[in-house]
Amino acid sequence: DIQMTQSPSSLSASVGDRVTITCQASQDISNYLNWYQQKPGKAPKLLIYDASNLETGVPSRFSGSGSGTDFTFTISSLQPEDIATYYCQQYDNLLIFTFGPGTKVDIK
Amino acid sequence: EVQLVQSGAEVKKPGESLKISCKGSGYSFTSYWIGWVRQMPGKGLEWMGIIYPGDSDTRYSPSFQGQVTISADKSISTAYLQWSSLKASDTAMYYCARVRAATPSLGSWGQGTMVTVSS
Repeated sequence: DIQMTQSPSSLSASVGDRVTITCQASQDISNYLNWYQQKPGKAPKLLIYDASNLETGVPSRFSGSGSGTDFTFTISSLQPEDIATYYCQQYDNLLIFTFGPGTKVDIK
Repeated sequence: EVQLVQSGAEVKKPGESLKISCKGSGYSFTSYWIGWVRQMPGKGLEWMGIIYPGDSDTRYSPSFQGQVTISADKSISTAYLQWSSLKASDTAMYYCARVRAATPSLGSWGQGTMVTVSS
C-alpha cells in the first residue's frame, strides 16, 4: 500500500504570509495527487487536482507542484478564510485513494 | 448542479445493523464512481471504498474490506454504506463523494452523515 505523509502537522501564520505544506508518497505516484481543504464542521473541498491544476472557482493564491514522491501545496498570501485543515490524497489505477494525515492551518 | 444528499444522523447500539444513503442528482448517476470516506471525531479523512453504479463494480480499501458493504440502486440514484454489526469504534462522520471521470478526484461531496454507536 502507498503511504502518504504530510508536514508540518500544524502551523500558525500571519495574514499575508506565504504558507507551504509538503506531502510525500512512499513510492512514485507520478502526478496522481490532489489537495483538499476542510473547514470545521464542513465537508472537504477539492482545491488542486493532478498535483498542480487549480480547481475551477478556487482562488489563485492556492497552488500545487511536484511529481513522483514529493509534492508541495502553497498559499501565497494567507487570508483569514483559509483557516482549515488541508489534506493531500493520492490515487492509483484501481481507484484506491489514500489521504495524508492533514495539516491544520491557524492564524497567528 | 451536481448534488449529493446524505441521510440523517443515526444513533445506534453496538451489534445493531445500519444502512446510510447518498442520493445523487444533477448528473448521470450511472456514469460516475461514488466513494465513501470516514472521519472519526477529531481525526483525519480515511478512504473506505468506491462503487460504479453503472455495473456495481465495487472496490474496498484493505482497512475496510469485510467491515462494511457498499452498494447502489441506480433506479433511484442512491449509493449505500452498510454495517451488519456496529461497534463503538464505528462512531464517525461518513461522507460520500463523486469521483470525477477524467482526473480521479473527489469533486463533489455530500454533507456527511454522523453515526454514533453507544450502549
